[in-house]
Amino acid sequence: DVKVTQSSRYLVKRTGEKVFLECVQDMDHENMFWYRQDPGLGLRLIYFSYDVKMKEKGDIPEGYSVSREKKERFSLILESASTNQTSMYLCASSSPAGANVLTFGAGSRLTVL
Amino acid sequence: AQSVSQHNHHVILSEAASLELGCNYSYGGTVNLFWYVQYPGQHLQLLLKYFSGDPLVKGIKGFEAEFIKSKFSFNLRKPSVQWSDTAEYFCAVNLAGGSYIPTFGRGTSLIVHP
Repeated sequence: DVKVTQSSRYLVKRTGEKVFLECVQDMDHENMFWYRQDPGLGLRLIYFSYDVKMKEKGDIPEGYSVSREKKERFSLILESASTNQTSMYLCASSSPAGANVLTFGAGSRLTVL
Repeated sequence: AQSVSQHNHHVILSEAASLELGCNYSYGGTVNLFWYVQYPGQHLQLLLKYFSGDPLVKGIKGFEAEFIKSKFSFNLRKPSVQWSDTAEYFCAVNLAGGSYIPTFGRGTSLIVHP
């Protein structure tokens, strides 16, 4: 069964800490995405990547960065976490060969105190 | 700007009731349309999609959606809901042959009472 795996389901961090959220897919997908999901706001795109070492800003990139050193891995980094970054973070991947249908991970719920 | 609107933010139904969730989009050009579903505690997953052809598409668990090009709509329907349909539903759109990045609606939370 194909999968997108997010390494941490629940994290609690303090304001100012650096936070790494890891995502790995085993489908050889070209495209990978990071979204945040907040009640009433739906899914908002933070960053995406269409190839190794390539990254593009989404709708809400401020306060975040990403890294894609290998095709299967896409990391989201919060350089200095703030309370307004408390959210559910969803990783997804897709491929043109799969009609660009997104496959999502289980999500990482981050709480910043 | 491209946008996707889901008119119903919260829907509460009793089992066996019929369901219709609205989705409208504003895009210039040919579009691909998706409904994704997130059951409690589970991953977001594809419910159904429309790329071309018959505008009435069928998905998993008895759901269907109709693409009405003139109305820029892709409404989700189910004739008789079950308690297990309780979930959050997201409509998404991207440009056919263009950007592969979908724009999502804000989602509709459906609660079905047994």
